[in-house]
Amino acid sequence: EVRLAQSGAEVKKPGESLKISCQGSGYTFTGRWIGWVRQKSGEGLEWMGIIHPSDSATKYSPSFQGQVTLSVDRSINTAYLEWGRLRASDTAVYYCARTDAYGNFDFWGQGTLVNVSS
Amino acid sequence: DIQLAQSPSLLSASVGDRVTITCRASQGISSFLAWYQQKPGKAPKLLIYATSILQTGVPSRFSGSKSGTEFTLTISSLQPEDFATYYCQQLHSYPRTFGQGTKLEI
Repeated sequence: EVRLAQSGAEVKKPGESLKISCQGSGYTFTGRWIGWVRQKSGEGLEWMGIIHPSDSATKYSPSFQGQVTLSVDRSINTAYLEWGRLRASDTAVYYCARTDAYGNFDFWGQGTLVNVSS
Repeated sequence: DIQLAQSPSLLSASVGDRVTITCRASQGISSFLAWYQQKPGKAPKLLIYATSILQTGVPSRFSGSKSGTEFTLTISSLQPEDFATYYCQQLHSYPRTFGQGTKLEI
C-alpha cells in the first residue's frame, strides 16, 4: 500500500527556520516525483514545486522559488520542505503528494499544519 | 503561468442532481488536465486525469470532457458523499497550477 506520512503540526515564530518531512512507503521512492502543495485556511490549493528523489532535480513555482527549499534523503525515503526564515503569511497546511506516470498527484500525505505567529 | 478559471465558485445541488463544473485555461493545454475532490480536513483525491480518464476506484458517475480550452467535470447523479470542493489542475507546463476551486454544497 502506497503511503506518504508527514511530520506533525508546528508552531513557530516569524524569522525562525523549519523543515517538515514526508516519508514514502509501499512503492519505489526514487521512481516518482514528490510535490508540495500549500493550502491556507479556507483557500484553494497552490502548487509549490516538485523534486525527483533519484537525483534531487527540482521544479519550483516562481511564487515559491527562493522562499522554500525542497530536498530528499533517499536512505530513509523522505522528502523535505524547508524555510530559512518563516513569515506569518507561511501559516497554512502543507501537503506532500506523489506523482503518477503522467504527473498527476495520485497519493497524498495527510498534511502538516504550520502556524507562524509572534 | 497558465491560469485556470473555475465556475461556478459555489454550486448548490441536491442528491440525484446532474451537475457540471467548468475549468477554463488561459491558453491551450491539450488534454493535460486533472480533477481532484477535497473534503473538509482531508487531503485532495485524484478523480480524473488526462481530461477524461477515471482514476482507479472512482465511480462511473464522474466524467470529464473538453471543448477547446474549456474543460468540464460532470457528476451524473449526485450522491451524499460527493458534496465537497473540486479543483482542476493543468499538467501542460510548470508551474502545474490549480483552479481556485468549486464548492459543491447541498
